Amino acid sequence: QKEVEQDPGPLSVPEGAIVSLNCTYSNSAFQYFMWYRQYSRKGPELLMYTYSSGNKEDGRFTAQVDKSSKYISLFIRDSQPSDSATYLCAMSAGYGQNFVFGPGTRLSVLP
Amino acid sequence: SQTIHQWPATLVQPVGSPLSLECTVEGTSNPNLYWYRQAAGRGLQLLFYSIGIDQISSEVPQNLSASRPQDRQFILSSKKLLLSDSGFYLCAWSPSLNEKLFFGSGTQLSVL
Repeated sequence: QKEVEQDPGPLSVPEGAIVSLNCTYSNSAFQYFMWYRQYSRKGPELLMYTYSSGNKEDGRFTAQVDKSSKYISLFIRDSQPSDSATYLCAMSAGYGQNFVFGPGTRLSVLP
Repeated sequence: SQTIHQWPATLVQPVGSPLSLECTVEGTSNPNLYWYRQAAGRGLQLLFYSIGIDQISSEVPQNLSASRPQDRQFILSSKKLLLSDSGFYLCAWSPSLNEKLFFGSGTQLSVL
């Protein structure tokens, strides 16, 4: 079993749709959770960061962490064509531990 | 605020030539520094990480090496490039607690 699993997609949705992106993980020591957005040939941009369980909202984006189920989600409301990118989940157990990434989900928002 | 600079953005090199990619971080001290490689359609592969000057850990045996001559400078090198070294190279930094990671803009390396 991979340490972090993420559906690679591609995922295509119409403009204005609600997008749900998910990752599952196996290491219960993870406590820092991140979502990155990566445009083609660009560095990943940190989109959302969450510590431990709970929800975090920033504009059209909501990140959820359920540590009991080892499951994290990113929701994008009112999706726009500019949201078309690859979304990477990442997590870390903290000091002394490196980051673990999902393979990324490729999202296309169609106008 | 903190910023990370990585250059060059694009590089085309012949097989057997040397390589030097540089990364610097501004606005923070004693960051953890990382080099990743991202092959087309594949995930991020951690190559090297550093928790301090001259403290480098290698994650995979390969044709590459890394150095950290200053607190906020991280360099990726090779003496002789292989075709298989082609890829998208990313420098990144993290506060020492490793609670979040910030990436540079990346270098697209093509070895021909």
